[in-house]
Amino acid sequence: DGGITQSPKYLFRKEGQNVTLSCEQNLNHDAMYWYRQDPGQGLRLIYYSQIVNDFQKGDIAEGYSVSREKKESFPLTVTSAQKNPTAFYLCASGHLDRGPGNTIYFGEGSWLTVV
Amino acid sequence: KQEVTQIPAALSVPEGENLVLNCSFTDSAIYNLQWFRQDPGKGLTSLLLIQSSQREQTSGRLNASLDKSSGRSTLYIAASQPGDSATYLCAVKDTGNQFYFGTGTSLTVIP
Repeated sequence: DGGITQSPKYLFRKEGQNVTLSCEQNLNHDAMYWYRQDPGQGLRLIYYSQIVNDFQKGDIAEGYSVSREKKESFPLTVTSAQKNPTAFYLCASGHLDRGPGNTIYFGEGSWLTVV
Repeated sequence: KQEVTQIPAALSVPEGENLVLNCSFTDSAIYNLQWFRQDPGKGLTSLLLIQSSQREQTSGRLNASLDKSSGRSTLYIAASQPGDSATYLCAVKDTGNQFYFGTGTSLTVIP
């Protein structure tokens, strides 16, 4: 089936550790996004990519890093520099077309907890 | 910068009632507005997409309207059911292929 796969669903991080969240899509989308969602808040954009080997910072990129070596994959690394990483992380993708009919599709999310 | 606001933050209604969720945005230069549903601990599922040139879209018991000039959208749910309980988020797409999300309305439909 076509879709966006995020893994792991639940991840626990110790203080000072880097962790990587995986996001894979088989929808042939050019654009991919990472959002962070905290309780009672909307989605905040961490990073986005519109083409392989290129990505841009979103509103809250500090303490995070990404790569886009393949069109299908957009992993997010939460580094030790991110002081408050406990949150729900959502990966999304969409066509690059800037037209009004363009929508965005989401994965099932990953929960990251600092222990 | 685009800001999206949703009111109310939470809503509880008895089963069978019709209800309206509200979304407002600050910059009218949008390509489209979408309404999403999010179940607890899950990703977002698109419900309706209204293009900037359109005024409304309908899908089953859902009807979404868009007044771009005033920066407002509403999501109307008819004959609510317990299965409609979820968080509903609206999002606008700007001319730079970016999406801006509201904080959502948490809906509980009481059997």
